[in-house]
Formats: sequence, C-alpha cells, structure tokens
Amino acid sequence: TQLLEQSPQFLSIQEGENLTVYCNSSSVFSSLQWYRQEPGEGPVLLVTVVTGGEVKKLKRLTFQFGDARKDSSLHITAAQPGDTGLYLCAGVKNFNKFYFGSGTKLNVKP
Amino acid sequence: SAVISQKPSRDICQRGTSLTIQCQVDSQVTMMFWYRQQPGQSLTLIATANQGSEATYESGFVIDKFPISRPNLTFSTLTVSNMSPEDSSIYLCSVRTGGSGANVLTFGAGSRLTVL
Repeated sequence: TQLLEQSPQFLSIQEGENLTVYCNSSSVFSSLQWYRQEPGEGPVLLVTVVTGGEVKKLKRLTFQFGDARKDSSLHITAAQPGDTGLYLCAGVKNFNKFYFGSGTKLNVKP
Repeated sequence: SAVISQKPSRDICQRGTSLTIQCQVDSQVTMMFWYRQQPGQSLTLIATANQGSEATYESGFVIDKFPISRPNLTFSTLTVSNMSPEDSSIYLCSVRTGGSGANVLTFGAGSRLTVL
C-alpha cells in the first residue's frame, strides 16, 4: 500500500480546461513536493511546500499544503498540451526520506 | 542542480542474465538513490548508496538480487541479477541536491529494461 494516495489516477481533458489533483495521506510530513515526469525522462521538481496551509503559485499551477501537513493539491488553470505528463507528489520525512505518491497521469488534448 | 547520466537508456535481456546500470553525476554527492518504476506508475526506492559503506536496502529488495557499487562520490552502479520478466521496469538513479539541508531529488533519465 502507498503511503500517499493520489487521485485521480488518470485524467484526460481538453486544452483550456481546469483540473485539480489530490495527494492524501494519514501521515504528517515535514514538507511535500510535486514532480512532473515526461516519457523517457526522470521526474523533475515543480515545487516544495513546507508550512501547513501554504499556497504556492507557479504560472498556471497552484499548489496547496494542508493545514495538518498530511495532504496537498495541485490545481492547473487553462491546461495546455505541454502540461501532459505524470504528476507525482512526494512527502518528505526526517529531511532524508522521500515517499512518492501513486501518480496521476494527465493527458491534455489540443 | 546536478546533471545525471545513466546508461544504458534501454536494453532487452534474456531471462537468467544480469545487467549493470551505470549512473554518473557531474558533482560530488554523499547519497545516491536507486528507484524502480513501472511505466506510468509511482517510484519505489530500491536502496540508498553511500560512498565508502554498504548500500542500505528497502524492504523487499536484497543485495544478492540488486548489488550496488559506489566507488566514489560521482558514480554508482546497480546490477539486476538473474533477471526474470518480473524485473522488466524502469530503473532510475537519483541524488539529493541543493546544498545543506536541501531536500530536492534530481533524477537521471532512467534505464528501461525489458526481460524476455
């Protein structure tokens, strides 16, 4: 079983639509990260959130860390085909241990 | 951030053989991590490799099956031994970067292994 569960597992939307990906756990993390992975590449860090309730914006992407530091969400506004990829959340414990979520595969159709 | 080169990028192997994957980093790092990933799915940590000591393996992974070498601070290898079709997967090398106290993982492009 995965320590971090992501939903939805798959998402196929049209260009211009909005979407939210959720990352949930019953465990508390010192920080939470979101990575995006494209086919044939390794995951690349998008953002790190550290404080409970923190909200970070990266252009059309908005990341939120839950107040209790157990969950997080990623919201994409006006999705573009370039957003297509596998999105992975990762909870960090003890500054050294990374727990990856189950993954959300996003496909944005032009 | 660090640049990681992995090779081979992909390979097709016969059952019962072994394959060694190489990971080269362009800077010195203390800890290197080896992950396994089924295409389109999450990452599972195999082991953590520290220079000068034995690798630390996660539950479900053993040294006899996945021996790791870490001869210096910029290089590591992972061997997948006595392969079976269940070992078909993507194997990723990763390092923690960003300076003291940083928690950013940088990954190689991965090695896609198919076992027939």
